[in-house]
Amino acid sequence: EAQLVESGGGLVQPGGSLRLSCVGSGFTFSNYWMSWVRQAPGKGLEWVANIKGDESEQYSLDSVKGRFTFSRDNAKSSLYLQMNSLRAEDTAVYYCARLPNVFGTYNFDIWGQGTTVVVS
Amino acid sequence: DIQMTQSPSSLSTSVGDRVTITCRASHSISTYLNWYQQKPGKAPKLLIYAASTLQSGVPSRFTGSGSGTDFTLTVSSLQPEDFATYYCQQSHSAPYTFGQGTKLE
Repeated sequence: EAQLVESGGGLVQPGGSLRLSCVGSGFTFSNYWMSWVRQAPGKGLEWVANIKGDESEQYSLDSVKGRFTFSRDNAKSSLYLQMNSLRAEDTAVYYCARLPNVFGTYNFDIWGQGTTVVVS
Repeated sequence: DIQMTQSPSSLSTSVGDRVTITCRASHSISTYLNWYQQKPGKAPKLLIYAASTLQSGVPSRFTGSGSGTDFTLTVSSLQPEDFATYYCQQSHSAPYTFGQGTKLE
C-alpha cells in the first residue's frame, strides 16, 4: 500500500527556518512528481509546489519563492521542504502528496497525514 | 492564475439527499479538474479526477461532470460518512489552485 509520512513540523519564530521531510513507501518514489500542499488553521487547501521525479522541473507558489526550497532524495524515497524567512502566514498543516500522471492529467492521489508548522 | 470558485460554501443537508456542488474556473481548463473530500483533522482524499473519473475504491454514489469552466460533483444519496468538506482543484496549469471548499452539514 502506498504511503507518505511527513515529519519536521514545529514552533518557530518569525524569520526562522524549518525543514520538513516526507518519506514514501509502497511505490517507486522516483517515478512520480511529488507536491506540497498546505492548509492554514480553519482555511482551505493551498498548493505550494510540485517537483518532478528527477528534479529536472519544479513549480512553486509565488509567495514562497526565494524563501522555500524543494528537493528530493529518490534513494531514500524522501521529499524535503526547506523553509526560510518564515512568516506568520506560513502557519499551516503541510501535506506532501503524490502527483501521478494519469493519461495526461494530474491529481493528488496519495496524501501524508500532515505536519504542523506554527510561526509565532 | 486560474481562480476556482465553488458554490455553495456550505450546505445543510440530510442522509438520503441528492447533493450537487458546483465549481467554476476563471479560464477554460478542459477536464483538468479533481475533487477531494476532507474530514476534520484528516488529510484530503481524492474522489474524482479528470472531471468525471471515479478514483478506485470511491463509492459510485459520487459522480463528477463538466468541462471547460463549469463542473459539478453530485452525491446521489448522501450517507452519514459523507458529511465533510469538498474541494475542487485544477491541474491545468501551475499554480494548482483549489476552490474554497463546500462544507456539508
